[in-house]
Amino acid sequence: DPKIIQKPKYLVAVTGSEKILICEQYLGHNAMYWYRQSAKKPLEFMFSYSYQKLMDNQTASSRFQPQSSKKNHLDLQITALKPDDSATYFCASSQDSSGNTLYFGEGSRLIVV
Amino acid sequence: QQQVRQSPQSLTVWEGETAILNCSYEDSTFNYFPWYQQFPGEGPALLISIRSVSDKKEDGRFTIFFNKREKKLSLHITDSQPGDSATYFCAATESGSFNKLTFGAGTRLAVCP
Repeated sequence: DPKIIQKPKYLVAVTGSEKILICEQYLGHNAMYWYRQSAKKPLEFMFSYSYQKLMDNQTASSRFQPQSSKKNHLDLQITALKPDDSATYFCASSQDSSGNTLYFGEGSRLIVV
Repeated sequence: QQQVRQSPQSLTVWEGETAILNCSYEDSTFNYFPWYQQFPGEGPALLISIRSVSDKKEDGRFTIFFNKREKKLSLHITDSQPGDSATYFCAATESGSFNKLTFGAGTRLAVCP
């Protein structure tokens, strides 16, 4: 059974719309992350959270907003979607934020048309 | 500028052969180098990792060789099996960076029976 659940697995969105990607982890971890994998770029770090606090943000755009309602949740809200946002978004978690193994979910594949 | 480079982009070997995947990096502050294995439709999974204080790390058929002076490392997969067919990502980070991994573009390995 997957220990990191991402929903939805696939979605198609219209340019200009808004979507929320859901991530829940059942590993008892204290740190969670979002990474993005697109056809043009390697896996890219986006955000890291530790104990529900933002630790690092490497996204240049405020259109990407992580939301942590519970310790084991880290959702990603994307507003004003653009075709360039098309990618697979991976949620990951680790025991804590310092040098531990990252466990990745299966990803949410977003296509913006 | 790509901080982590991988070569070759794709590699085909016969079952039983040794596959050699290469990785180089730019940032001298990087001191932890995990390799991830990714199958189609799945998230990356940690395969093996090495810290910069070591020059070799072995785990079964998988061995990392690390050359700090040249900023290079390689992953050797001995006795390659068809089940090893996947994309392999070299990643790098530095201590205290909240698990912000910088990934290479990956090497797609095919092992022919």
